[in-house]
Amino acid sequence: QKEVEQDPGPLSVPEGAIVSLNCTYSNSAFQYFMWYRQYSRKGPELLMYTYSSGNKEDGRFTAQVDKSSKYISLFIRDSQPSDSATYLCAMRFYGQNFVFGPGTRLSVLP
Amino acid sequence: DVKVTQSSRYLVKRTGEKVFLECVQDMDHENMFWYRQDPGLGLRLIYFSYDVKMKEKGDIPEGYSVSREKKERFSLILESASTNQTSMYLCASSPANEKLFFGSGTQLSVL
Repeated sequence: QKEVEQDPGPLSVPEGAIVSLNCTYSNSAFQYFMWYRQYSRKGPELLMYTYSSGNKEDGRFTAQVDKSSKYISLFIRDSQPSDSATYLCAMRFYGQNFVFGPGTRLSVLP
Repeated sequence: DVKVTQSSRYLVKRTGEKVFLECVQDMDHENMFWYRQDPGLGLRLIYFSYDVKMKEKGDIPEGYSVSREKKERFSLILESASTNQTSMYLCASSPANEKLFFGSGTQLSVL
């Protein structure tokens, strides 16, 4: 079993839809969780950073962490064609390096 | 704004050549990292450094070496490039192992 799992997609949604992107993980020690957006042939760009459990909101983006289920989510409201990208989750525990999911490719169709 | 700069966006090299990939960050971060990214395999850590002149092997260090002579600069060296090192190379930095900030990446093709 991989340490961090993520559905690779592609996920196609119409413009304006609510998008739900998810990662599951196996190591209960993970404390720090991040979501990155990566456009084609570009470096990943940090979207959301959360510590431990709970929700965090930033504009159209909401990150959720459920440590009891070892499950994290990124919600995108009112999705736009410019949100079309690959979304990577990443996580770590104190003193260790980050572990990345393989990424989910999202297409938002106009 | 955070800035991690990789010297080349695209690079084409021949098998057996020595290749240098340069990365500079302007945020005074202690930690710097080199990853490679391949379709279906995600991001894999090659080497990292927590301080000047210090380096640690990541998950896939074979065929690579690194140099960190100054805090802001972290170089990845392919001693003798091979075709299986064709990949997207990503440099990142972070303050005290907090959030990771990435450069734009270098797409390396080894022919």
